Amino acid sequence: QSVLTQPPSVSAAPGQKVTVSCSGGSSNIGNNYVSWYQHFPGTAPKLIIYENYKRPSGIPDRFSGSRSGTSATLVITGLQTGDEADYYCGTWDSSLSAWVFGGGTKLTVL
Amino acid sequence: EVQLVESGGGLVKPGGSLRLSCVASGFVFSSYTMNWVRQAPGKGLEWVSSMSSTGSFVMYADSLKGRFTISRDNAKNSLSLQMNSLRAEDTAVYYCARDSVRGYDWDYWGQGVLVTVSS
Repeated sequence: QSVLTQPPSVSAAPGQKVTVSCSGGSSNIGNNYVSWYQHFPGTAPKLIIYENYKRPSGIPDRFSGSRSGTSATLVITGLQTGDEADYYCGTWDSSLSAWVFGGGTKLTVL
Repeated sequence: EVQLVESGGGLVKPGGSLRLSCVASGFVFSSYTMNWVRQAPGKGLEWVSSMSSTGSFVMYADSLKGRFTISRDNAKNSLSLQMNSLRAEDTAVYYCARDSVRGYDWDYWGQGVLVTVSS
């Protein structure tokens, strides 16, 4: 059971928009920065959002993040088949003194 | 180009030991906190351990209960994870990841190495 809760899967058609939610609590998302990682199985995970909404260099602006209270959201617009991957949210949990992740969300581009 | 290359994985019997290594290149290794993260089959990412740039500060996931030891050799740009008393539930792909300069996220990850604990 992950500390952060994500939907197991989301799907949308090419060109559409999808939202991935990440729910936590005051000890993690509520008071610490959230980052998001894109993971194609068998490869290295990739940082796509840091400090709740910022994008690393090279990450297209189709990817955006936000945080509100104890929840965070990743939005991907203009979906492409190449976006099919697993997406994880992560943050520090001040009560557990541990880094925590969501269980991951598998994105399917129909 | 930043590169993190893990090695040392394989098949080990329950109760056995294994030592993973991660060799870094393309950045000043001694300036960064480094981490180990694992992913069990069909499961999500799970943080394992972190070590500060000088090695003076370490953290472990509570679930490991003292069985794993992280270390680093800054002269060799290398991070290690000594895993003892291995259990079936330790079966996973283990990733080496670099802390970003911000300290709140991990900006580079290795490809991972598979550890299988089975009799």
